[in-house]
This record gives sequence, C-alpha cells and structure tokens, in this order.
Amino acid sequence: GAGVSQSPSNKVTEKGKDVELRCDPISGHTALYWYRQSLGQGLEFLIYFQGNSAPDKSGLPSDRFSAERTGGSVSTLTIQRTQQEDSAVYLCASSLSGNPTSYEQYFGPGTRLTVT
Amino acid sequence: KQEVTQIPAALSVPEGENLVLNCSFTDSAIYNLQWFRQDPGKGLTSLLLIQSSQREQTSGRLNASLDKSSGRSTLYIAASQPGDSATYLCAVRDTGRRALTFGSGTRLQVQP
Repeated sequence: GAGVSQSPSNKVTEKGKDVELRCDPISGHTALYWYRQSLGQGLEFLIYFQGNSAPDKSGLPSDRFSAERTGGSVSTLTIQRTQQEDSAVYLCASSLSGNPTSYEQYFGPGTRLTVT
Repeated sequence: KQEVTQIPAALSVPEGENLVLNCSFTDSAIYNLQWFRQDPGKGLTSLLLIQSSQREQTSGRLNASLDKSSGRSTLYIAASQPGDSATYLCAVRDTGRRALTFGSGTRLQVQP
C-alpha cells in the first residue's frame, strides 16, 4: 500500500516568510510524528499526534513552529517568520499506534527546507 | 536524558565482507530499538525493530541484537553488497515517551 507522503519535496523561502509543510500518513495509522534533520544536530523530534488526544509539542524549538492534524489524518507543520537556522529536512512518520506496545514508525521522504 | 551513540561514524569495506555496526544508549529504560537505513536525499527505511523483551531480530542478511542492560545494540550485515551503501541509523523509544531518540548514524560504503 501507499507509504507516508510529504509535500513539497523541496521548498526554498526567504527569511521572514511563513511556510507550510504537509504530511499524509499511512491509512489507518493513528500516530503521527514530525522530526527535523539538520547538519550538526542529527534527527530531532518535534511533535507527536495520537488520535484525538492533545499533541505532545515538547520538541518544538520555538513558538514560531506549530502543527495541526485535521480529521485524524493529514498534518500540516507551519513555521512562521522563518530563520536561516530553520533550514533542514523535515520528516514525518506514522505508526499504527503510539501506545507503549510500540509499533514501527514509517517515515516519509521528507521536505527539504532552505531559508535564504 | 537519553543519548544514543553510533560507532563508527563511517565505514568502508570491500564487497562480500561481513560487518558490524554498533549502537549504544545511556538509559536502559526503553520500549524498543529500531534500525533504519537512509539513502542520500531520501527518507528513512525501517530495517528491524527489536522490542525490549527480545534479544535479536533477523531479516535476510541483516541481524540486529539488543542487550538492554548494557545499553548496546549491534547490526550485523552478512555478505555486504554495493547496494548496502547508505547511512544506518539506530533509534530508541524510551518508556514514557512517544518519540524516537536517534544516533548520528554510520555512513557505510561497500566497494565493488
């Protein structure tokens, strides 16, 4: 079946602009995660959604970052007033559940964001 | 705070060689450990998932082991091929957390 999809695959934006990144999880997966991969920082957790529960936002680096998940499926990560340090690959993952029985996380291809 | 370390950072081997990639983590209170492969410019492909109660998992030429008490995992690749060239990432899921904590990866180059 279809895997996790993300769009756009690449985004170049000017410093100070807002950007929206989209993630379509695998159908039936209730848990959705956003991670960021940047040079020198490795892969970092940003935010987690599980069903209708309140999201875990503990990894968001600043209040310029926000995310929502509509209808328990598609998620959008929004970065306001982008800065050059926001340049990174943003990866989305989904799993059958986020509960402790711990299903595998499946990752999308990522969105490469470049802030000029 | 969980920290995951992968050694070596880079590895180059001739085709056909068996090899071992190492992963260590500081907090043994984990639910599971997952090994991923990442090709340049691509996302992550899950290779193996080991639950905390398991000692190893196998998939084809790949075998991953887990020693939770000592905070170590190894990924064994048998009869390496040029197509195995990629970055291999280890990640753990701590008890009480939803997210994975990743190591910085081992960049593998298999020479034909």
